[in-house]
Amino acid sequence: DQQVKQNSPSLSVQEGRISILNCDYTNSMFDYFLWYKKYPAEGPTFLISISSIKDKNEDGRFTVFLNKSAKHLSLHIVPSQPGDSAVYFCAATTPPQGAQKLVFGQGTRLTINP
Amino acid sequence: DAGITQSPRHKVTETGTPVTLRCHQTENHRYMYWYRQDPGHGLRLIHYSYGVKDTDKGEVSDGYSVSRSKTEDFLLTLESATSSQTSVYFCAISVGAYEQYFGPGTRLTVT
Repeated sequence: DQQVKQNSPSLSVQEGRISILNCDYTNSMFDYFLWYKKYPAEGPTFLISISSIKDKNEDGRFTVFLNKSAKHLSLHIVPSQPGDSAVYFCAATTPPQGAQKLVFGQGTRLTINP
Repeated sequence: DAGITQSPRHKVTETGTPVTLRCHQTENHRYMYWYRQDPGHGLRLIHYSYGVKDTDKGEVSDGYSVSRSKTEDFLLTLESATSSQTSVYFCAISVGAYEQYFGPGTRLTVT
């Protein structure tokens, strides 16, 4: 049972345009959501996060939106740059009880075309 | 860079052999994790540790064991490797309440 789903395995966007990556979840106990970016042969790197008490969090070109009623979050990248080409994972977790068990989606491969 | 290293970075082994992967951190973080990454599955938690000699199972723990005898080292052992354990393995540490930072990964191939 996949509790966090990224239904688009890949996405291609033109440089300078907006990239929108989507993520759905099923567990209503999740209260914190994270996005990670991964380049080939490297570990995932933390990008941006959002708490369930918010509906938007912005950091430079990156904005994450959370729609709790729909159990949906999205990552917007504006403007998209070639260096944004990577695999993006969304992850979710429940309130902290010591160790944090992150549940990841399958990932979306984003390609930015010049 | 959260001071996480993994060794080896690449390994090829035969079915039935034991394999140990090492994760080393330099910043005294309490919580450490082992994940595996497979196409179509994202990252899945294998085991985690909440202190020296304190470990627990994650989502996909069958066939794996872990040990943590020092704060800085978290070892993942495949007692008898199988082809289904061919994967990329990532170690992570908790930084803050929610975020985790990952090591560079170990690519393991079981033939």
